[in-house]
Amino acid sequence: DVVMTQSPLSLPVTLGHPASISCRSSESLVYPEDGITYLNWFHQRPGQTPRRLIYNVFSRDSGVPDRFSGSGSGTDFTLEISSVEAEDVGVYYCMQGTHWPLTFGQGTRLEIE
Amino acid sequence: QARLVQSGAAMREPGASVRVSCQASGYIFTRYFLHWVRQAPGQGLEWMGRVDPTNGKTKYAQSFQGRISMTRDKSTGTAHMDLSWLTSDDTAVYYCARARIGSGFGDVWGQGTVLTVSS
Repeated sequence: DVVMTQSPLSLPVTLGHPASISCRSSESLVYPEDGITYLNWFHQRPGQTPRRLIYNVFSRDSGVPDRFSGSGSGTDFTLEISSVEAEDVGVYYCMQGTHWPLTFGQGTRLEIE
Repeated sequence: QARLVQSGAAMREPGASVRVSCQASGYIFTRYFLHWVRQAPGQGLEWMGRVDPTNGKTKYAQSFQGRISMTRDKSTGTAHMDLSWLTSDDTAVYYCARARIGSGFGDVWGQGTVLTVSS
């Protein structure tokens, strides 16, 4: 199985400051048949359903604020928040959809310090 | 807009089976795969498998092989996930989520179904 490794696992951030989460996969996430890299980022607030923020590495989902951005290629990916707001607290997961079985990272808990 | 609505919470004894349902609306049912993901209390997300609503073909995570079945009913736009031989380790919130080639996994999720396995 493709292992998704996130860092850090805990991320205290001051309001208005930037934040960055890294995600590394144990294999390349480029899907050979179409050349697309199926790497997604999800945000889950306590007690809520996960919400997708980013798909295919850097495409932002509808309604997602532009302070969220995704980057990376191959096996190294990053989610960045340009200026953290109070509503951004929760757990962030990266997830790969290229290889079976689909796998998630362990999650990164963002909290406001 | 697209929605996935899941069946209600369930409580089962160890060794029993459970069916969780996921009804799609607001989009063409056969254009998106339906996946199932679970989350044990305080834990991360675990992918379980998916069903292709067009033909009913399935893919399951190895850890569930032999005790999981995913089906769909095109007439009602509903997907079902059956899990048998339940243990306390199966206590979790179960989610369905849709996916499509090109636009990826998880743009729409169900609200989650809480399953408690206890004697």
